[in-house]
Amino acid sequence: DGGITQSPKYLFRKEGQNVTLSCEQNLNHDAMYWYRQDPGQGLRLIYYSQIVNDFQKGDIAEGYSVSREKKESFPLTVTSAQKNPTAFYLCASSLSWTGWGAGANVLTFGAGSRLTVL
Amino acid sequence: AQKVTQAQTEISVVEKEDVTLDCVYETRDTTYYLFWYKQPPSGELVFLIRRNSFDEQNEISGRYSWNFQKSTSSFNFTITASQVVDSAVYFCALSVQQAAGNKLTFGGGTRVLVKP
Repeated sequence: DGGITQSPKYLFRKEGQNVTLSCEQNLNHDAMYWYRQDPGQGLRLIYYSQIVNDFQKGDIAEGYSVSREKKESFPLTVTSAQKNPTAFYLCASSLSWTGWGAGANVLTFGAGSRLTVL
Repeated sequence: AQKVTQAQTEISVVEKEDVTLDCVYETRDTTYYLFWYKQPPSGELVFLIRRNSFDEQNEISGRYSWNFQKSTSSFNFTITASQVVDSAVYFCALSVQQAAGNKLTFGGGTRVLVKP
């Protein structure tokens, strides 16, 4: 079955360490996204990618970095510059970045990665 | 700028009761989409419905129904005869037709707890 796989599900980090969250999709979607979820605050967009080798900052990109070397993969690195990294991170994809046809802007989400800074 | 407000942070009901989740949105765009997603305890958001700004028809899907009213900028969601499996966090979201593409603005979510 097609879907999005995020790993690891749980991750613990010491202060000052960088960590990378994996996101892989087999839906043949062009667009991919990273969201951060904090209790009671909904989801906030960190980075998004329209196509391979291209990505854009979202609303809260400071302290994060991404790459999009393959269509299927969109890893997120939480750097030591992120002041409050403890959160639940969700990766998503959509059929296309632009376009309003059927399903074009419907996001499919992974199961998330929970990062805790010790 | 876009904004989505879900005023109810948590709703607790007994099984078989109906529950209505409120969603109010703000946008200056005339072309936009509204969404509802469900987040069960497993964490993965599940798409429930998408409605465009030109279609104000209410929709019913099984025990779920949605009431879209542009006059009040609201897109409310009702679960009829709730079941324990409906326990989850529900998010309302908005996407506008702009050059930046399919960026979603989410509300803060409403946690629904259905007790047996």
